[in-house]
Amino acid sequence: DQQVKQNSPSLSVQEGRISILNCDYTNSMFDYFLWYKKYPAEGPTFLISISSIKDKNEDGRFTVFLNKSAKHLSLHIVPSQPGDSAVYFCAARAGGTSYGKLTFGQGTILTVHP
Amino acid sequence: GAVVSQHPSRVICKSGTSVKIECRSLDFQATTMFWYRQFPKQSLMLMATSNEGSKATYEQGVEKDKFLINHASLTLSTLTVTSAHPEDSSFYICSAMENRGGYNEQFFGPGTRLTVL
Repeated sequence: DQQVKQNSPSLSVQEGRISILNCDYTNSMFDYFLWYKKYPAEGPTFLISISSIKDKNEDGRFTVFLNKSAKHLSLHIVPSQPGDSAVYFCAARAGGTSYGKLTFGQGTILTVHP
Repeated sequence: GAVVSQHPSRVICKSGTSVKIECRSLDFQATTMFWYRQFPKQSLMLMATSNEGSKATYEQGVEKDKFLINHASLTLSTLTVTSAHPEDSSFYICSAMENRGGYNEQFFGPGTRLTVL
């Protein structure tokens, strides 16, 4: 049962344009969401997060939007740069006894062309 | 700050042998560490939660006798893959949780590539 889904395995974007990566979740107990960037043979690097009490969080070129009613979040990167090319994972965390445990999506490979 | 290291970064072993992977938080103390496994082109799957001074909590379907976890100190957790088989070949990633200003943040190690021949 995939509780966090990234339905697009890959995304190709021109440099300078906007990249939009999407993520859907099914578990209503998730209250905190994170985006990670990962290169092959390396561990994930934290990018940006959002609490379920917010609907938007912005950090420089990265903005995460959360639509709780639709159980959907998205990561916007603008402008996209070739160095942004990597695999992007969204992850979700629940409170209570599961506190700290992250559930990851399958990842989306982003390629930014010069 | 908040650096997590893993050792070794890559290991090749023969079937039937045991392999130990270390996860260290270099500049903070972590009472909780997590072990993940990633198959090619797939997501990171949580294997177990490692708590300092107590037994690890394993996710459903993960054999605790196969994947031994020891969290002996606030900066070190080890994962031992016992009697490794080719199907255990994977990328193993640990993370360490640090309390920052009242909330917990996870920092990931660089991962260990295990190949079992």
